[in-house]
Amino acid sequence: KNEVEQSPQNLTAQEGEFITINCSYSVGISALHWLQQHPGGGIVSLFMLSSGKKKHGRLIATINIQEKHSSLHITASHPRDSAVYICAVRFKGSNYKLTFGKGTLLTVNP
Amino acid sequence: GAGVSQSPSNKVTEKGKDVELRCDPISGHTALYWYRQSLGQGLEFLIYFQGNSAPDKSGLPSDRFSAERTGGSVSTLTIQRTQQEDSAVYLCASSLAGDITDTQYFGPGTRLTVL
Repeated sequence: KNEVEQSPQNLTAQEGEFITINCSYSVGISALHWLQQHPGGGIVSLFMLSSGKKKHGRLIATINIQEKHSSLHITASHPRDSAVYICAVRFKGSNYKLTFGKGTLLTVNP
Repeated sequence: GAGVSQSPSNKVTEKGKDVELRCDPISGHTALYWYRQSLGQGLEFLIYFQGNSAPDKSGLPSDRFSAERTGGSVSTLTIQRTQQEDSAVYLCASSLAGDITDTQYFGPGTRLTVL
């Protein structure tokens, strides 16, 4: 069964802390996306990865294809980073379908 | 330029009624996706359009759900004989070409409540 697991489900941090959110998937993929959803707000695509590492500002995303695992890191976290972070993968052979993790609710306190 | 827009933003309907949800993608984007976000279920893929064709309808949950796209632009998701379990936020996204490397741009969603 093609599954995507995220951890932790909930994460509370103090402003300035380094944050890591994890995503594991069950079988081979062609692409992995990290998405951000603010409370009551829309969804924004942060990264698309098929290998290696990408960085955008304070956000870093890595993927290990052999271990079927990806991490999203936030350096120097800020209250405005508070949101739900969602991992989504395109499994090989699934055409255009994205399969989503259940999301990680991040709360950064000042 | 304008992002993805969806209408209505909220829709309350009675069980058994039909509803239509509309998506206006970013101009020039050939790929369009519909997703559903239910409380406790997370996001689910429903259907993918490339132009006016739907090569992947694998996520539509039942034959009560259908979607079409016209002129390679606007798309409509129709739910017939709505049920309470259809209550969710329905999200539309578009991307330039549908390649796996393309960024998907999401609309604000339509919150559907079936009483």
